[in-house]
Amino acid sequence: GAGVSQSPRYKVAKRGQDVALRCDPISGHVSLFWYQQALGQGPEFLTYFQNEAQLDKSGLPSDRFFAERPEGSVSTLKIQRTQQEDSAVYLCASSFRTDTGELFFGEGSRLTVL
Amino acid sequence: DAKTTQPPSMDCAEGRAANLPCNHSTISGNEYVYWYRQIHSQGPQYIIHGLKNNETNEMASLIITEDRKSSTLILPHATLRDTAVYYCIVRVGLNRDDKIIFGKGTRLHILP
Repeated sequence: GAGVSQSPRYKVAKRGQDVALRCDPISGHVSLFWYQQALGQGPEFLTYFQNEAQLDKSGLPSDRFFAERPEGSVSTLKIQRTQQEDSAVYLCASSFRTDTGELFFGEGSRLTVL
Repeated sequence: DAKTTQPPSMDCAEGRAANLPCNHSTISGNEYVYWYRQIHSQGPQYIIHGLKNNETNEMASLIITEDRKSSTLILPHATLRDTAVYYCIVRVGLNRDDKIIFGKGTRLHILP
């Protein structure tokens, strides 16, 4: 499809497991963002890539969270040793330019940690 | 922290204009006002943005006050499908610090 694709849509993990969430941005989009959205809250910024460079990771809540975009297209958000407070929807967004502000969001990956 | 203030919720009758206010009293001269909305179980969707002039597109109109300290998003003929959380955001478009900071938004209920 032409939009941002995220997988899996739903993930249930036991506490302590590692998870990997994938984002396929719109082809040709330079910028890629990850957000975390807890139930009833607005999305919270996690990290930002411009091509393969991670320019801002100030929103990553702990060193258990790691994101990469090695070839400047697909990105993976990895969470190690998951905890219950990691339960949230993880949203990926991409943008063609960094100066227009129009981000295209995927439908998110809902992570539930038991 | 978000640099905008919005009412937590609003109701609007179907077919009427929905006017969603946003305060951004600390906005800087080079910051744009953006509006996104999030329908249940979907990712946020871009609606419109502006710097200081009023803007209109096929989805909505954006009215920015002359002092730029507040704005109003107008959905001219609201339908049930416009029920969503609406986020008002200020952002420096050309800054390398490109993250968009979402607040809590306004939950708009369109009433049949």
